[in-house]
Amino acid sequence: DAMVIQNPRYQVTQFGKPVTLSCSQTLNHNVMYWYQQKSSQAPKLLFHYYDKDFNNEADTPDNFQSRRPNTSFCFLDIRSPGLGDAAMYLCATSRGGSSYEQYFGPGTRLTVT
Amino acid sequence: AQKITQTQPGMFVQEKEAVTLDCTYDTSDPSYGLFWYKQPSSGEMIFLIYQGSYDQQNATEGRYSLNFQKARKSANLVISASQLGDSAMYFCAMREGEANYQLIWGAGTKLIIKP
Repeated sequence: DAMVIQNPRYQVTQFGKPVTLSCSQTLNHNVMYWYQQKSSQAPKLLFHYYDKDFNNEADTPDNFQSRRPNTSFCFLDIRSPGLGDAAMYLCATSRGGSSYEQYFGPGTRLTVT
Repeated sequence: AQKITQTQPGMFVQEKEAVTLDCTYDTSDPSYGLFWYKQPSSGEMIFLIYQGSYDQQNATEGRYSLNFQKARKSANLVISASQLGDSAMYFCAMREGEANYQLIWGAGTKLIIKP
């Protein structure tokens, strides 16, 4: 049973063309995260939501936006993708406590042409 | 200074042998948590094991155990009886403080199990 679902698994977009990645969860977790992971690197946190409270990392570019319309869904919008934004984008969820592990989705691999 | 250090970029281990993946951390916060994740080539990040800074005993989950040495600030992952399916990237991560949801990640160790 899929718990954190990401669609699509592979996304190709053109330089400068807005793109939206989606994530849904069946775990009813309070916290949802978006990470960017480039090849052979650790994941980099872009932002997270605790319920509806949005927390942006200081070094996340303005080009990246997020929406969480309800508990189950979270979206990552890239307003004007550049070649440097090509990466794996991982969505994760966790319960609202610091000791709880994060559950990750399978990721969306974004290619920018 | 690096908060999480994984000194082994890559390791080859013979199937069925035990393997230890190293992780050292640096924090002045008395409350923290340490996590290990596995990332196969498919890309999905899989949670393996958690150790809290106040936990008295080392965490264990099946074939995985965490060798937590607080004074040395190390949290090594031990995999007993390695299997071919254990070949993956392994990340150590830390959460500092009680209300901090951000994980600080190590650079990872690529483990390859040889048949």
